[in-house]
Amino acid sequence: KAGVTQTPRYLIKTRGQQVTLSCSPISGHRSVSWYQQTPGQGLQFLFEYFSETQRNKGNFPGRFSGRQFSNSRSEMNVSTLELGDSALYLCASSLGRDHEAFFGQGTRLTVV
Amino acid sequence: AQSVSQHNHHVILSEAASLELGCNYSYGGTVNLFWYVQYPGQHLQLLLKYFSGDPLVKGIKGFEAEFIKSKFSFNLRKPSVQWSDTAEYFCAVNPNSGYALNFGKGTSLLVTP
Repeated sequence: KAGVTQTPRYLIKTRGQQVTLSCSPISGHRSVSWYQQTPGQGLQFLFEYFSETQRNKGNFPGRFSGRQFSNSRSEMNVSTLELGDSALYLCASSLGRDHEAFFGQGTRLTVV
Repeated sequence: AQSVSQHNHHVILSEAASLELGCNYSYGGTVNLFWYVQYPGQHLQLLLKYFSGDPLVKGIKGFEAEFIKSKFSFNLRKPSVQWSDTAEYFCAVNPNSGYALNFGKGTSLLVTP
């Protein structure tokens, strides 16, 4: 079956702009999580959605937001981009908490 | 603060050498434990997982890990590494009280021919 699909794969944005990243989970998976990966901080949890409800949020400013649609697809939005937001953003889907998470290829965001 | 610690940031081994990567966590209560691998240019893939039961867990590609509850550890092992094992390895913990995977900083493994 198809894996987790993230679009776009690469993005270049200017400071102050906003960006929306998309994630299509594996069919049947209702849990979608987002992570930020940087060389300095490693993989950090952003938020998790299950059946359109945000169940948990990491320690990120309010500029980072997300949502999940009824078909389990998810988007994350970053407003007022800063240089430090440059990172690989990973989406993962799973059947639920006691199941493994499957990761997408990620969206590489560069803020200039 | 609750955390996941991976002891080795960079490891260089020759082919056929044995591998052990350390992982310790500081969460109380029950946890789900994972090792993920990220090959160059590829997405994160699950190597193995522990939810309950036998603390010695076998994963893909000959990897195994041992959960030692008293030491809050979940170390990854492989008896004989191959060049194709060159990758970044991440330990992750999911406390049963939460919904997030908490990752260690990762260990970069280079296997030389």
